[in-house]
Amino acid sequence: DGGITQSPKYLFRKEGQNVTLSCEQNLNHDAMYWYRQDPGQGLRLIYYSQIVNDFQKGDIAEGYSVSREKKESFPLTVTSAQKNPTAFYLCASTPGTAGSGNTIYFGEGSWLTVV
Amino acid sequence: GQQLNQSPQSMFIQEGEDASMNCTSSSIFNTWLWYKQDPGEGPVLLIALYKAGELTSNGRLTAQFGITRKDSFLNISASIPSDVGIYFCAGRGTNAGKSTFGDGTTLTVKP
Repeated sequence: DGGITQSPKYLFRKEGQNVTLSCEQNLNHDAMYWYRQDPGQGLRLIYYSQIVNDFQKGDIAEGYSVSREKKESFPLTVTSAQKNPTAFYLCASTPGTAGSGNTIYFGEGSWLTVV
Repeated sequence: GQQLNQSPQSMFIQEGEDASMNCTSSSIFNTWLWYKQDPGEGPVLLIALYKAGELTSNGRLTAQFGITRKDSFLNISASIPSDVGIYFCAGRGTNAGKSTFGDGTTLTVKP
């Protein structure tokens, strides 16, 4: 089945550690995104990538890093510089940029908790 | 970042009643999307709208893309208990990287 797979579903991070969240899609979508969701709030864009080997900062990129070495993969690293990383993280993708290509599809999310 | 105004923030309705929610923005969008999110899960796409004035149905769900391109509404008819969840709108413009999301409407359906 085609879709977006995020892993792990639950992750615990100690203070000062970097952690990486995986996102893989087999939809052959060009663009991929990472969002952060805090309880009771909407989604905020962290980073996005429209093509392989290229990515741009979103609204809250500080303390995060990404890479896009392959079309199907867009891992997110939450660095120790992110002071409040506890949140629900959502990976998403879109086919393209026009018409139905503008539709966003989401993964199932990853919970990150700082302990 | 820019936010959409989504209302109401929460709704409590009886099973069988209809539910309506809407989103408004100061910006024009080319696409409006409506999602449902269950706790701890990713949002699932319900309806996508690509053209001003478009009215689209998906089962008991109906959504419209406002003529001004600055608003959209979602209606759920004859609600059932499994409709419970958080409903989000999202607007997308010409910048492929940018989507704007509403803060969600939490729907509770009482049996």
